[in-house]
Amino acid sequence: IQLTQSPSFLSASVGDRVTITCRASQAIRSYLAWYQQKPGKAPNLLISAASTLQSGVPSRFSGSGSGTEFTFTIISLQPEDFATYYCQQVNDYPMTFGPGTKVDIQ
Amino acid sequence: EVQLVESGGGLVQDGGSLRLSCAASGFTFSSYAMNWVRQAPGKGLEWISDISGSGGRTYYADAVKGRFTVSRDNSKNTVYLQMNSLRGEDTALYYCAKRGADGRNSPLDYWGQGTLVTVSS
Repeated sequence: IQLTQSPSFLSASVGDRVTITCRASQAIRSYLAWYQQKPGKAPNLLISAASTLQSGVPSRFSGSGSGTEFTFTIISLQPEDFATYYCQQVNDYPMTFGPGTKVDIQ
Repeated sequence: EVQLVESGGGLVQDGGSLRLSCAASGFTFSSYAMNWVRQAPGKGLEWISDISGSGGRTYYADAVKGRFTVSRDNSKNTVYLQMNSLRGEDTALYYCAKRGADGRNSPLDYWGQGTLVTVSS
């Protein structure tokens, strides 16, 4: 199962609404996760099952979708949100990651 | 507190072998599947391998199938990745990660800090 993410890079300002799309080459039900990775750090799980926010993750993050198209949204970008975001399908093996979306400061 | 500590990385020649270890603590180790994920310098995440809680089921990415072997010792709370026939494209930071459950469909809820493997020609 191949995952594509768009955009691959976006430049945004604090307070902006940011949306990232992840598309799967075949249906994966709701078995999609979103991770945040900051430079020099391990990835951090933000959302599981397409829309379930992990404990401790701010409510400005959200996810939606099922089947082959998924969306990740940050409703008001904060300085600590500048990072790279990855989707991962956990529907079947191999459990592929998307190529990532780098969110940079405008 | 869940902790995952990788070790065993280093510099190895093309065609060589290396065994990575990941020591886990803070959870009932045998109840969770464990994964290895790698990240080449400046690149994205690449899923490598999965092993069930009992160790009875293993899965691999095509890029490493036949060369890498994942195993675990539940008495030592440790998961291993034996890497043989290493190539330059295997150069990466290797992360150990815990799955949210033992079955499939659960994401990686805890990650180690990684161990760097460099394959030189």
